Amino acid sequence: QSVLTQPPSVSAAPGQKVTISCSGSTSNIGNNYVSWYQQLPGTAPKLLIYDNNKRPSGIPDRFSGSKSGTSATLGITGLQTGDEADYYCGAWDSLSAHVFGTGTKVTVL
Amino acid sequence: EVQLVQSGAEVKQPGESLKISCRASGYSFTKYWIAWVRQMPGKGLEWMGIINPGDSHTTYSSSFQGQVTFSADKSISTAYLQWSSLKASDTALYYCARFPCGGGSCYSDYWGQGALVTVSS
Repeated sequence: QSVLTQPPSVSAAPGQKVTISCSGSTSNIGNNYVSWYQQLPGTAPKLLIYDNNKRPSGIPDRFSGSKSGTSATLGITGLQTGDEADYYCGAWDSLSAHVFGTGTKVTVL
Repeated sequence: EVQLVQSGAEVKQPGESLKISCRASGYSFTKYWIAWVRQMPGKGLEWMGIINPGDSHTTYSSSFQGQVTFSADKSISTAYLQWSSLKASDTALYYCARFPCGGGSCYSDYWGQGALVTVSS
């Protein structure tokens, strides 16, 4: 069902930076806003980024979002062990209503 | 404080019916859509659809159209997800989420804790 493609996994050492890509099309990312979610093990997803690059209250500025054309990117700087989680992008899709990305597992080495 | 509290875990047999709930508090229930999201064991998030609690208008993902039914009771700020005949493949964790949506900006900003549905004979 996912029409937003993410890498299955990314990893980096503590303190380093990781980026997660989210590739879509003109029916979703190309013409709508992107959101990002963090799902820590055994917990519900949490909104990290909305409207491509806005952070909800309480989300540290280590997390950032950007969009270009039909792709979006989530960046995490100053990586911490507590950032180990699954991350998902999401966007409204004119053909499928709303869609989530395939998900990316972040591992802190 | 915005909260979405879901009903507890359920264990059902194939063919049985089920209705799970999502009780909202801390905001005006009728002003935001409620989304339902499925997460099968070890898998990613799947968007099932949304309901407008104000008028009960629904939009289903094509994958779930005809398989589930959304409803809402605005008098008690509660949304529901129901099945008329469960299948083993419905075994999953189901989340409700508040879903602000408009002008291409749509996202789930507050999530319930999830309800585990297990369908097994």
